[in-house]
Amino acid sequence: KNEVEQSPQNLTAQEGEFITINCSYSVGISALHWLQQHPGGGIVSLFMLSSGKKKHGRLIATINIQEKHSSLHITASHPRDSAVYICAGLMNYGGATNKLIFGTGTLLAVQP
Amino acid sequence: ETGVTQTPRHLVMGMTNKKSLKCEQHLGHNAMYWYKQSAKKPLELMFVYNFKEQTENNSVPSRFSPECPNSSHLFLHLHTLQPEDSALYLCASSQDSYGYTFGSGTRLTVV
Repeated sequence: KNEVEQSPQNLTAQEGEFITINCSYSVGISALHWLQQHPGGGIVSLFMLSSGKKKHGRLIATINIQEKHSSLHITASHPRDSAVYICAGLMNYGGATNKLIFGTGTLLAVQP
Repeated sequence: ETGVTQTPRHLVMGMTNKKSLKCEQHLGHNAMYWYKQSAKKPLELMFVYNFKEQTENNSVPSRFSPECPNSSHLFLHLHTLQPEDSALYLCASSQDSYGYTFGSGTRLTVV
């Protein structure tokens, strides 16, 4: 079982819809990253969360530490939001050694 | 442009070739990483360098050889690769495990 699980794997939405992508993670993960990967490969870091909620433009990320669950929301979705969204957990392996553990990603297609 | 630059963006190489991937960051980060992304799989960590010292080799075959001459540059030397090594290779940097910044990746095809 992967330490970071994302759902759904694929998501198709109509322009303007509210979108939610979910991420569950295991014990030992101290912070969550949400990443965006466009076709062509480059990855952009959207948020890093260890508690609460963060907002940037139409993107909102929340994290519930007790439930070990995070969500990424996109309001008023647009075709340019089409990308793979990846959840990654920061896990401590003892001392100063931390590693990112990646989910498999959610492929989002927003249709006009 | 994220601040982490990778070259080349695309590379096609034969199984007997030797090539190198380059990564450069001028963000002042103290850690640099190589990741491999194969189709339908999560990103896999290959190597980690902290302050130019290799701190992680995630059971990567010896046909992949990293080099970190200084804290701003990271190379991945490739030789006698196999077709299954075809993937997107991503470089990233961070400051003390936070503030990860990724490059655009090198799409490698081994023929």
